[in-house]
Amino acid sequence: EAQVTQNPRYLITVTGKKLTVTCSQNMNHEYMSWYRQDPGLGLRQIYYSMNVEVTDKGDVPEGYKVSRKEKRNFPLILESPSPNQTSLYFCASSRRQDNSPLHFGNGTRLTVT
Amino acid sequence: SQKIEQNSEALNIQEGKTATLTCNYTNYSPAYLQWYRQDPGRGPVFLLLIRENEKEKRKERLKVTFDTTLKQSLFHITASQPADSATYLCAPPNSGGYQKVTFGTGTKLQVIP
Repeated sequence: EAQVTQNPRYLITVTGKKLTVTCSQNMNHEYMSWYRQDPGLGLRQIYYSMNVEVTDKGDVPEGYKVSRKEKRNFPLILESPSPNQTSLYFCASSRRQDNSPLHFGNGTRLTVT
Repeated sequence: SQKIEQNSEALNIQEGKTATLTCNYTNYSPAYLQWYRQDPGRGPVFLLLIRENEKEKRKERLKVTFDTTLKQSLFHITASQPADSATYLCAPPNSGGYQKVTFGTGTKLQVIP
């Protein structure tokens, strides 16, 4: 089954404790992206990747890092999480061409205390 | 700067009626626009794409229009059912290209039996 898998689904952590949210897709998509979703603000793009070893900033990249060492994986790293990073995070992938729809994972709900 | 606006936060409609959701964009002219459905706590799911040279697109009970003069897309669900209750997001690529898809905040649709 074609899917984007994120882990974990829920995560509660404390300020400053490094964490990684994993994302994996099995559709051989070149393009992958991370979004955060907050009430009233909608989905905002954090980082995206056009292919292996190619990443770029989205609209809200501060406080986040990503890497794309393999085509299928695109982990999101929070080196020193802060409470304002409490949010619902989504990973998405698509073919690398105009018009291609995004395939989303089921989300990771992160709480930073 | 580019702006996407979707009408009202919630739309309540009687089962069997047609639901119409609005997406307005300003300060740019996207070549296409996508519509997604999002259920609570889940990732968005792609529904339809309409290109700037297409006035209308249909898929089963769904219909999307794209008026580049008004800078508006309308999303219709005919013969609405309670199972159609969800949040609907419009998503045009921003002027930077498809890599940076921008999502509206969404319209929450509630279909009342």
